[in-house]
Amino acid sequence: GQNIDQPTEMTATEGAIVQINCTYQTSGFNGLFWYQQHAGEAPTFLSYNVLDGLEEKGRFSSFLSRSKGYSYLLLKELQMKDSASYLCAVRENQNTDKLIFGTGTRLQVFP
Amino acid sequence: ETGVTQTPRHLVMGMTNKKSLKCEQHLGHNAMYWYKQSAKKPLELMFVYSLEERVENNSVPSRFSPECPNSSHLFLHLHTLQPEDSALYLCASSQRLAGADEQYFGPGTRLTVT
Repeated sequence: GQNIDQPTEMTATEGAIVQINCTYQTSGFNGLFWYQQHAGEAPTFLSYNVLDGLEEKGRFSSFLSRSKGYSYLLLKELQMKDSASYLCAVRENQNTDKLIFGTGTRLQVFP
Repeated sequence: ETGVTQTPRHLVMGMTNKKSLKCEQHLGHNAMYWYKQSAKKPLELMFVYSLEERVENNSVPSRFSPECPNSSHLFLHLHTLQPEDSALYLCASSQRLAGADEQYFGPGTRLTVT
């Protein structure tokens, strides 16, 4: 079956580094996406990984290991505005528009 | 207007009402989506339209009826809904088969069925 697992909640301190993990079990794999969603707002695209390794984009980085069915999102130099839900989603094959989402990880950043 | 817009932002309807949700994208994309987001559940894909043709119908009850008159507009027609249909309904668009093909989401319609 299809399964995307993420921790439900995480907390961290302003200025710190936090890693949000995502494990997946899907019938196929053609890319993993991370989205950020602030309360009451639309999800916004953060990153995309289709090959193994680390993708860095400013304070945010995303890592993928296809053999382990594992990804993480790394947030550095945390700011209060980073308090949000972070959604992991997998696309199973290149011919489908369908993304399978996890339940999301709610991150709270404290001063 | 830029990005993906949705109207109305909030909707309260009775179980016997008929209403429609509207989505418009200003990004020149060729695919549009409807998702349902319920508390503590993953985003659930409902429908996908690619080049104005429905390519995905994810076992959604017939009381939800999508319509895509052109590549920029998407509607979700609602009738005889149930209280468990109360949720945030998100529209998204993407440029299909263009690399990452990330989806851009609208702000959503918060639907309450009484």
